[in-house]
Amino acid sequence: GIQVEQSPPDLILQEGANSTLRCNFSDSVNNLQWFHQNPWGQLINLFYIPSGTKQNGRLSATTVATERYSLLYISSSQTTDSGVYFCAVVSNDYKLSFGAGTTVTVRA
Amino acid sequence: EAGVVQSPRYKIIEKKQPVAFWCNPISGHNTLYWYLQNLGQGPELLIRYENEEAVDDSQLPKDRFSAERLKGVDSTLKIQPAELGDSAVYLCASSSRLAAYNEQFFGPGTRLTVL
Repeated sequence: GIQVEQSPPDLILQEGANSTLRCNFSDSVNNLQWFHQNPWGQLINLFYIPSGTKQNGRLSATTVATERYSLLYISSSQTTDSGVYFCAVVSNDYKLSFGAGTTVTVRA
Repeated sequence: EAGVVQSPRYKIIEKKQPVAFWCNPISGHNTLYWYLQNLGQGPELLIRYENEEAVDDSQLPKDRFSAERLKGVDSTLKIQPAELGDSAVYLCASSSRLAAYNEQFFGPGTRLTVL
């Protein structure tokens, strides 16, 4: 199956800092989603981005499908941004294959 | 618009007991997924339904796990008998089939603890 690697595994930020999370995948994809899992375990959809660039407030994402990677940018981080960020992809089998996640801690 | 609804949110049982989880997808979504999330890992697919048909159950441990979606709307996932290693979060997701490979939306999950 398709392999998804996320980096870094852990990230500690001071409030107000900017950061970039990376997702590499091993094969062509038909779907790529970024999620934020909050401390209560809820997976919150951030972006549906199989290719191109999208922005939503302080967050933006870019997927370069031909080079098999996606980036999630967090600007002016806030304590509420803390949690685990997952990248997940769909190849030809309709199931989301998740990376191991990046745990982000934003300190006040 | 209501999101994916799951119940119960938490369940604690003793090993060898049965347990069932319920999921109601987003209205109009005919594709439903059950995922398993172990601590510190990303979710993994157990089963996918298109309407009432289970089209991918290759990752479902069929000796003890079963699932149904009788009317093509809500779904139940059952474990009988539960084992200690089944302690995890069980997530339900849904997506629309208006186009292929659509965005998936997740419910809050059921956290199962087997003692």
